[in-house]
Amino acid sequence: EAQVTQNPRYLITVTGKKLTVTCSQNMNHEYMSWYRQDPGLGLRQIYYSMNVEVTDKGDVPEGYKVSRKEKRNFPLILESPSPNQTSLYFCASSRRTGGYGYTFGSGTRLTVV
Amino acid sequence: GESVGLHLPTLSVQEGDNSIINCAYSNSASDYFIWYKQESGKGPQFIIDIRSNMDKRQGQRVTVLLNKTVKHLSLQIAATQPGDSAVYFCAEIYTGAGSYQLTFGKGTKLSVIP
Repeated sequence: EAQVTQNPRYLITVTGKKLTVTCSQNMNHEYMSWYRQDPGLGLRQIYYSMNVEVTDKGDVPEGYKVSRKEKRNFPLILESPSPNQTSLYFCASSRRTGGYGYTFGSGTRLTVV
Repeated sequence: GESVGLHLPTLSVQEGDNSIINCAYSNSASDYFIWYKQESGKGPQFIIDIRSNMDKRQGQRVTVLLNKTVKHLSLQIAATQPGDSAVYFCAEIYTGAGSYQLTFGKGTKLSVIP
């Protein structure tokens, strides 16, 4: 089944404790992206990657890191999480040619206390 | 946790009626538009798309209309069903100069009254 898989689905952590949210897609998509979703603010892009070893900042990159060493994986790293990073996070992937629609993961609800 | 549906414009429709959800986009050079549906606790799901050289596209029970003159996009859902209750987002995509910029609208919450 074609899908984007995020882990974990739920995470509660403490301020300053480094964490990684994993994202993997099995559709051979070139383009991958991370979004955070907050009430009243909609989906805001954190980072995106056009292909392996190519990443760029989105609208709200502060406090986050990403890497794209393999085409299928695009982990999101929070080196020192803070409470304002409490949010619902989505990973998404897309082909670059033909249709451009994103396929989204199921989301990771992160709470930083 | 707090629902992503809070603080959003809400459209309430009677089951069986038609729904129209509107979206204003920002970039007149955007070349592709998508509507997504997000149910509670799930990620957004693709519904229908339309290229900028079209003004109408129909799917199963859904129609998207594009008015480039006023930068307006609409999603029409025929014979709305309880399963259509969700938050609906429009997205615009700009691919000029080798870039890929996808921008989401804020969303509209659709509530279907049985």
